[in-house]
Amino acid sequence: NAGVTQTPKFRVLKTGQSMTLLCAQDMNHEYMYWYRQDPGMGLRLIHYSVGEGTTAKGEVPDGYNVSRLKKQNFLLGLESAAPSQTSVYFCASRDNQETQYFGPGTRLLVL
Amino acid sequence: KQEVTQIPAALSVPEGENLVLNCSFTDSAIYNLQWFRQDPGKGLTSLLLIQSSQREQTSGRLNASLDKSSGRSTLYIAASQPGDSATYLCAVPQGGSEKLVFGKGTKLTVNP
Repeated sequence: NAGVTQTPKFRVLKTGQSMTLLCAQDMNHEYMYWYRQDPGMGLRLIHYSVGEGTTAKGEVPDGYNVSRLKKQNFLLGLESAAPSQTSVYFCASRDNQETQYFGPGTRLLVL
Repeated sequence: KQEVTQIPAALSVPEGENLVLNCSFTDSAIYNLQWFRQDPGKGLTSLLLIQSSQREQTSGRLNASLDKSSGRSTLYIAASQPGDSATYLCAVPQGGSEKLVFGKGTKLTVNP
């Protein structure tokens, strides 16, 4: 039981490049989330999903897209990266008791 | 809009001391509150989740209390150890939504 895993762990992008962050969970959770964590700003919700095939916007969705084609996977895409998207990205899933389980994070640097 | 505040931002204590971390929230219409721990460079680990119908939850040396009417929660750590050093965050749902609102955390250092 690996819990929540994230790929990659670290990435450097140039402005305008695109990339996809992958989140996978093996706990059969319906709910999954993408957050970003920035110094002084705390954790902010980007997008979330309440089940396979569904997605919804969080607090800071602009510049990101998501897909939940399979229940166990939640993908976060950056179509045209900007320096303001330099951050640490966390994925989480939620059990029926509403406890959230977080992945180890992806550090993204956009130059 | 829900806002969550954690005071103090940082706390340094000697090993063995009992301590209290504070969390306050502006909208008392919450249905639960969670406390998390984050180690440097790592993800968050859920410590305790208190439902709105509960006043306390305990796990080992940790005890979390919730007072919805005053918009406050406390995390009590008994007999602190150096391994307790981490940042502790509390989070509450925004309205009836799936969105969790996090405090900025209290960075705890327990000195041997």
